[in-house]
Amino acid sequence: DIQMTQSPTSLAASVGESVTITCLASEDIYGSLVWYQQKPGKSPQLLIYGATILEDGIPSRFSGSGSDTQYSLKINSLQPEDFASYYCQNGLSTPRTFGGGTKLELK
Amino acid sequence: QVQLKESGPGLVQPSQTLSLTCTVSGFSLTSYNVHWVRQPTGKGLEWMGVIWTGGSTDYNSALKSRLSISRDTSKSQVFLKMNSLQTEDIATYYCARESYYYSSYIYVGYFDFWGPGTMVTVSS
Repeated sequence: DIQMTQSPTSLAASVGESVTITCLASEDIYGSLVWYQQKPGKSPQLLIYGATILEDGIPSRFSGSGSDTQYSLKINSLQPEDFASYYCQNGLSTPRTFGGGTKLELK
Repeated sequence: QVQLKESGPGLVQPSQTLSLTCTVSGFSLTSYNVHWVRQPTGKGLEWMGVIWTGGSTDYNSALKSRLSISRDTSKSQVFLKMNSLQTEDIATYYCARESYYYSSYIYVGYFDFWGPGTMVTVSS
């Protein structure tokens, strides 16, 4: 099974700052990487798929990059609504494992 | 529009069987895969299993011996059954639709719509 390791597990930042979250797959997933955002009490929301493709309606301050086993999610100019938890996921094969999550908190 | 909604008992007794239903609208179960994902309160997401468009299934190996996913395409419903429930199974359970495409023969799947989730507690 492919394991997904996210870092950091938590992150404190201020409005207007930029942050980067990384995700490491235990084997090559050929760019089939998904990012979700989850706010408390809500279902996860799709942000990025195929490592770099922004879902419709997601602000352009979110961007994804990476290949092979290493991927990242960057959020530029943080807005108050961006403080949430973020998860990466293997989109290539089953089991569709998720990373452990990154909680982005307001500094 | 696309919608998914989970339903089922919020309380299950230890060692009993959990039965959940995911009712979908706005798409066909023969055109999209549907996955189940759960999340203990304050913890991360755990993939449980999938029913593919053709009706076959795949499961998380840690749950495989207890878990069954099935569907009724005429009612647009997907069912989850998991037996021998314990306190470790306390979680919010989600169903999600998967969209996918192929990029140079590489499968790229992603969960584009999720249900609101249903909380399940295990207690006598």
